[in-house]
Amino acid sequence: GDSVTQMEGPVTLSEEAFLTINCTYTATGYPSLFWYVQYPGEGLQLLLKATKADDKGSNKGFEATYRKETTSFHLEKGSVQVSDSAVYFCALLSDGRGIGSTLGRLYFGRGTQLTVWP
Amino acid sequence: EAGVAQSPRYKIIEKRQSVAFWCNPISGHATLYWYQQILGQGPKLLIQFQNNGVVDDSQLPKDRFSAERLKGVDSTLKIQPAKLEDSAVYLCASALIGTSGILNTGELFFGEGSRLTVL
Repeated sequence: GDSVTQMEGPVTLSEEAFLTINCTYTATGYPSLFWYVQYPGEGLQLLLKATKADDKGSNKGFEATYRKETTSFHLEKGSVQVSDSAVYFCALLSDGRGIGSTLGRLYFGRGTQLTVWP
Repeated sequence: EAGVAQSPRYKIIEKRQSVAFWCNPISGHATLYWYQQILGQGPKLLIQFQNNGVVDDSQLPKDRFSAERLKGVDSTLKIQPAKLEDSAVYLCASALIGTSGILNTGELFFGEGSRLTVL
C-alpha cells in the first residue's frame, strides 16, 4: 500500500542555517504530496504541496520538489528563523489506483520536530 | 471563514469508560476525516466520510470505536470502552470537494484536535 517515510528528528538548528528534512514515499499510482506543519498549540496546517512529478511547491521560504525517479519530496529552506520551530509532517494523498489504497486518503509520516535557536 | 470546530479540547477518563468527540467541518465541505495522533507519531486515519457515507474505515477498531455523520455535516466519534492505548489527540479534518477531485486541490483543513487521556 501507499506510505511515507520521513527522517526522524529532532532537528536543532541555529537561526539562518540551511534546513533539509528528508521524505520518501511508496505509491503504486500517481499521488499528490504535501508538507503539513504543526506549530506549538495549533492544529495541522498545509505548508506546501505538489500534485505531479517535477512540480515544486513553495511557501514561506520553504520548497519541496516532487521527484518521481527517487520517490522523494524533501523539504528545504535556505535560512530558518526561530518562528519556524514546529513539527513538520510529510504526507501523501492517494489516487486510489494501487491495490489496497483509497482515493483521497492522506498518509502521514511520523513528523520531524524542528527547533531553531536564535 | 470559520474553521473546523472540535470539542471537547481535552478529556480525561478512566479505562473502560466511554467518550465522544464532536466535529463540525467547514461549511460545504463534503469530505470529513477522523485521525488519531499518538504522541511522537504521525496522524493515522481512522475513518473517512464522503457526505454521510463511509469511504474508508479499514483502520477503525470497530470493537470499540464508532463514528457517524448522519446528515452529511457534523460528525461524532465514540470510544467505548476506552483503553489506555487510546490516549491520543483525535483530529478532525475536512475537504471542500469530493474524493473524485480532491487530488487537484489536495488541501485538508484540520481542527485543533481533542486530547484524550485514559487513566
